[in-house]
Amino acid sequence: QKEVEQDPGPLSVPEGAIVSLNCTYSNSAFQYFMWYRQYSRKGPELLMYTYSSGNKEDGRFTAQVDKSSKYISLFIRDSQPSDSATYLCAMSLSNTGNQFYFGTGTSLTVIP
Amino acid sequence: GAGVSQSPSNKVTEKGKDVELRCDPISGHTALYWYRQRLGQGLEFLIYFQGNSAPDKSGLPSDRFSAERTGESVSTLTIQRTQQEDSAVYLCASSFSQGLGYGYTFGSGTRLTVV
Repeated sequence: QKEVEQDPGPLSVPEGAIVSLNCTYSNSAFQYFMWYRQYSRKGPELLMYTYSSGNKEDGRFTAQVDKSSKYISLFIRDSQPSDSATYLCAMSLSNTGNQFYFGTGTSLTVIP
Repeated sequence: GAGVSQSPSNKVTEKGKDVELRCDPISGHTALYWYRQRLGQGLEFLIYFQGNSAPDKSGLPSDRFSAERTGESVSTLTIQRTQQEDSAVYLCASSFSQGLGYGYTFGSGTRLTVV
């Protein structure tokens, strides 16, 4: 079983839609939960991270962590064509990058 | 430069040849990471440098892989006797220190194809 599972998509939505991206994980010891955005031919860019359970909001983006279900989500409100990218979740036992476990990424296209 | 710079951006090599990939981190960033991103798979951690401490090499998949970094400057990842399964995008990231709160910047990667 992989440490982190993420549906690769692709996911296609109309502009303005609410997008829900999800990951599940198997290691209950994970404490840090991250979402990265990766445009084609570019490196991943850290969008948000949360520690332990709960929600975190940043503009149109909301990250949720449910440790009891080992499930994390990223919601994008009022999606824009510029949000079209691959979204990677990642989790870690600590906040240093040598212990990050990444999902395979979900490809999102927002249609104008 | 303003970002993490990696070179070359693309590399095609014959099976069995050695390759060297370069990463120029953001100036002042003490932490540097190498990851591998194979098609359809998540990023895999390879190696981590933090200042002058001994590197964490726990992610290197075999002894054909090695990396060096002098102080807080450029890092090179070397793959000897390349195999087709080494084909991937190799990504470098740097940060001011350990920890997500210090920011974490990736380069655009080197796309390696072994034929």
